[in-house]
Amino acid sequence: AQSVTQLGSHVSVSEGALVLLRCNYSSSVPPYLFWYVQYPNQGLQLLLKYTSAATLVKGINGFEAEFKKSETSFHLTKPSAHMSDAAEYFCAVIPTGGFKTIFGAGTRLFVKA
Amino acid sequence: DGGITQSPKYLFRKEGQNVTLSCEQNLNHDAMYWYRQDPGQGLRLIYYSQIVNDFQKGDIAEGYSVSREKKESFPLTVTSAQKNPTAFYLCASTPDRGTYNEQFFGPGTRLTVL
Repeated sequence: AQSVTQLGSHVSVSEGALVLLRCNYSSSVPPYLFWYVQYPNQGLQLLLKYTSAATLVKGINGFEAEFKKSETSFHLTKPSAHMSDAAEYFCAVIPTGGFKTIFGAGTRLFVKA
Repeated sequence: DGGITQSPKYLFRKEGQNVTLSCEQNLNHDAMYWYRQDPGQGLRLIYYSQIVNDFQKGDIAEGYSVSREKKESFPLTVTSAQKNPTAFYLCASTPDRGTYNEQFFGPGTRLTVL
């Protein structure tokens, strides 16, 4: 079965530092990939999605992610962290031929002043 | 503004009681979903509905029930058979079931069993 692995349940960075949140998927056929963000006590909102049009995907709030088929990865990055980026981030996939979304366990991002 | 509303935001239940969580959307989406969120476990699918008057069990349906009598509404009942219902519940929707769509989420309901 398709699965999503997010490395690190917690990541802490200083304000202005690079943000890197890791996501790997298990599939021989590239699925559709998503990153969502969740602020405390709120629902999830879409940051960006990969649908095979381009391997580097730009999203909202300065985030981007690169699809690497050889590494089965879809890591999320942002060049300079802001305090408002503190939230939980979920990587998710929809397997090719399926329609249900499979979510990773989430990574909580802490931003230090 | 189009979106998904969930009510109530906080809900407290005594053991042995059934409670119903409301989810309404005005996005004209065909498919709707219920997820349960526990710390460190991501989102787990409880039930989903791809069309009115039809719904399917997700990965953790035991102790829950749903109905889909109207396109815009997908209420979730947490029954007394659910042994550990304390969690954050999220409702979501997608435009249809046939394409690889992102999910649109409501703000969630936090259920606590006293």
